[in-house]
Amino acid sequence: DTEVTQTPKHLVMGMTNKKSLKCEQHMGHRAMYWYKQKAKKPPELMFVYSYEKLSINESVPSRFSPECPNSSLLNLHLHALQPEDSALYLCASSSPLQDLHFGNGTRLTVT
Amino acid sequence: AQSVTQLDSQVPVFEEAPVELRCNYSSSVSVYLFWYVQYPNQGLQLLLKYLSGSTLVKGINGFEAEFNKSQTSFHLRKPSVHISDTAEYFCAVSYSGAGSYQLTFGKGTKLSVIP
Repeated sequence: DTEVTQTPKHLVMGMTNKKSLKCEQHMGHRAMYWYKQKAKKPPELMFVYSYEKLSINESVPSRFSPECPNSSLLNLHLHALQPEDSALYLCASSSPLQDLHFGNGTRLTVT
Repeated sequence: AQSVTQLDSQVPVFEEAPVELRCNYSSSVSVYLFWYVQYPNQGLQLLLKYLSGSTLVKGINGFEAEFNKSQTSFHLRKPSVHISDTAEYFCAVSYSGAGSYQLTFGKGTKLSVIP
């Protein structure tokens, strides 16, 4: 069982839809991350929040919009996605300079 | 800049045989090194890490790795594998950034354990 919970597990959306991915942790971690993982590829960092402030944006297109409402929650808002955005989206959290704990991901399919 | 090279994309091995998954890194500064495992349809789970100190690191599920600075390697080993070890294994490197780990992952090695 993972201590980082991601919902939904699966999501199918059209290119004109707006949807959100959610991530929750109750380990008191103050850094939270979004990664994107395409099939048979390693995870690629998208965003990092540190103490609820966006600290890293790896040049991610604006159709992906992260939000950190509080220290336990991390959202990823999706709008006008493309089929090539279909992937496994992983959330992770950590204490400063400590291990990353990953959720099981949301498998996103854009049709 | 830092990078990680996993030399084998796939490693088949018979059950109860030993296995070594190879990882080499390049970095101009001191690094932290990690091995993660990913089972099908799951997230990544930390197997072990090297931050400093002893170069032989023991992790979960009977895995261990040795940090070799002169060869810039961090190979993962297990003396006897089980069917349940079938998974994707990622080596990752990070430097001591400010407040969060910025992990750079290798391309992964798929370990297939043959009964």
